[in-house]
Amino acid sequence: KNEVEQSPQNLTAQEGEFITINCSYSVGISALHWLQQHPGGGIVSLFMLSSGKKKHGRLIATINIQEKHSSLHITASHPRDSAVYICAVDALLLRGGATNKLIFGTGTLLAVQP
Amino acid sequence: EAGVTQSPTHLIKTRGQQATLRCSPISGHTSVYWYQQALGLGLQFLLWYDEGEERNRGNFPPRFSGRQFPNYSSELNVNALELEDSALYLCASSFWGGRHNSPLHFGNGTRLTVT
Repeated sequence: KNEVEQSPQNLTAQEGEFITINCSYSVGISALHWLQQHPGGGIVSLFMLSSGKKKHGRLIATINIQEKHSSLHITASHPRDSAVYICAVDALLLRGGATNKLIFGTGTLLAVQP
Repeated sequence: EAGVTQSPTHLIKTRGQQATLRCSPISGHTSVYWYQQALGLGLQFLLWYDEGEERNRGNFPPRFSGRQFPNYSSELNVNALELEDSALYLCASSFWGGRHNSPLHFGNGTRLTVT
C-alpha cells in the first residue's frame, strides 16, 4: 500500500462543475502539498498546509490531521484547469523532526471539457 | 523575480556516460531539492541540499550525487548512466528556517534520455 493515496486517478468534468480530489496518507507529516503539473512537465505549487483550510481564487484545500486526509476543490471548473494534480506529504521523523523528503501520490489527471 | 531555472532542458546521453544537471534557486532560497519523474513511476525524492550540505536523500544508488554551491545553486550528477535513468528531473527550492519550510518553487525540469 502506498503511503500517499489519491482518488480518483482520472476525472473528466464539464466546464463549470465543482471538482473534488482526495488524498489520504498513512505517515506523520509536517505539511501537505497540492501541486499542479501541466503537459510538458512544469510543476506549480498550489497549496502547502498543515491544518484547516486554505483558499486561493477558485481553489480550496482542506486537511484533517486526525483522519490523515486532505481534499482539493475546484469551483466553477474551466478547461485551463486541465492538468495533473498531485498530493505530496512532508514526512516527519519518528522523533518529530521534518525530513523535507516529499512522498508523492500518483496524481489525478483532470480533463475539463468546454 | 526570476523563478527556479534548470539547465539544460533536454539532455541525451548513452549508457555508461555521466550526466550533469544544473539548478538555480529563487533568490533568498537556501534549500534545493531534486526529484525524478520516470515514465509510469511518478515523482520520487532524490536529494535535499541546504546551506551547502546534503541533508537527506531518497532511495537511489550512490551514482546519483550532487552538490550545492556557495550561491545556493546546485548540480545533480548521475554516473554510469543506465537506460532506466531516462526521466524528467525536477529541481525545487525553498527557504528552510530549521523548523518550518516555505512553499516550494519548481523549475521546468531537465528531460534526460539515455540511449
